[in-house]
Parts: sequence; C-alpha cells; structure tokens
Amino acid sequence: GQQVMQIPQYQHVQEGEDFTTYCNSSTTLSNIQWYKQRPGGHPVFLIQLVKSGEVKKQKRLTFQFGEAKKNSSLHITATQTTDVGTYFCAGYSSASKIIFGSGTRLSIRP
Amino acid sequence: DAGVIQSPRHEVTEMGQEVTLRCKPISGHNSLFWYRQTMMRGLELLIYFNNNVPIDDSGMPEDRFSAKMPNASFSTLKIQPSEPRDSAVYFCASSYLGENEQFFGPGTRLTVL
Repeated sequence: GQQVMQIPQYQHVQEGEDFTTYCNSSTTLSNIQWYKQRPGGHPVFLIQLVKSGEVKKQKRLTFQFGEAKKNSSLHITATQTTDVGTYFCAGYSSASKIIFGSGTRLSIRP
Repeated sequence: DAGVIQSPRHEVTEMGQEVTLRCKPISGHNSLFWYRQTMMRGLELLIYFNNNVPIDDSGMPEDRFSAKMPNASFSTLKIQPSEPRDSAVYFCASSYLGENEQFFGPGTRLTVL
C-alpha cells in the first residue's frame, strides 16, 4: 500500500542553524501538505503543494515538491525557538487517500 | 468561528467500557476526518467523511471502533469495548472539500486503564 516516509525522526539544532525535513512517497501524489504541531498541541496547516517542482516560501520556511511528485522537503533557515515542534507532511494520492508522514521533531538549543 | 470543537478533552475509563468521542466541524466544511495519535504509531487516519458519507474507513482498527456523522455539524467516534491499547490522543479535523487545508480540533486524550 501507499507509504509516506519522513526523515529524520528527530533533529536537535543550535538556534540560528538551518533545519530540513524530507518526505518520500512510494506512489505519485496529487498534492502534499505540511503541518506543524507544537508540544501538547494539535497539527496546524502550513502549506499545500500541488504542482510538479513547485517551490513556496513563507518567511524563513521553504517548501519544495519534487519533479516526480513523490517527494517533498521543508527547509527552515536560521531556526528560532518558536520553530520548536513536530513537522508532518501529508500526502494525497490520486485515489484521494491521505497518509501522514511519521513527523520530524525539532528541538532547539538557545 | 470557534474552530473544530471536540469533547471531552480528556477521558479516563476502564477496560471494557464504552467510550464516545464527539466532534463539531467548522460550519460550511463538508469533509471530516478522525485521527489517532500515539508515540508508537504516529498520526493515523481512522476514517473520513464527505458530505456526511464515510468515504474511507480502512484505518479503523477493528470492529470495536465505529464512527457516525448524522448531520453536517456533528460526528461521533465510538469504541466498544475499550482496551488499554486504545489509549491515545484522538483528533477530529474538517476541511472544505477533502484535499484542502485541514483544521484540527484540540483533541481528546483517552486513557483506558
């Protein structure tokens, strides 16, 4: 069945360092979404990517969707303590099935 | 808008008891999702509805779990009988059309003793 793998599982960085999390799907996706979940909170939508090769930016966050629409990445430039949390990708297949990645937990040393 | 509303926020029950979780989606949204989150298994989609109709329930663990959406503004997830391994945070989310941004509720933390 469809799988969405997300790496790394954990990332501990010094404040100001960059951070990247990657998602890889076993099947072609119709679109991919990214969510952030703060400790003790609920997932909050960040962005949706639909087009092959699409790149979107939100301030220090850069999101990419692969050319084959099977992988995606989220890159944070110059992390801040407010970036702490778990970042999830959610892939939608052509059959309208949604699978969340396992998440990458980001922690930051001030 | 108040966002997605879930109740109760916390539930502690004993093994074998029936548990009912409730969700009120955002008004105007026509897709509703139930998720379960644990440390071991992450965030799992249990079932989702479009226009009150269950579309994909392949994530429902077993017959002990059932979900209903009698109208556009209310859904329930029932576990009967509950087991300790059902302990998790259960999230409800809604969206306008199935593949758009999902808005998650605050979750229900379930503990089955």
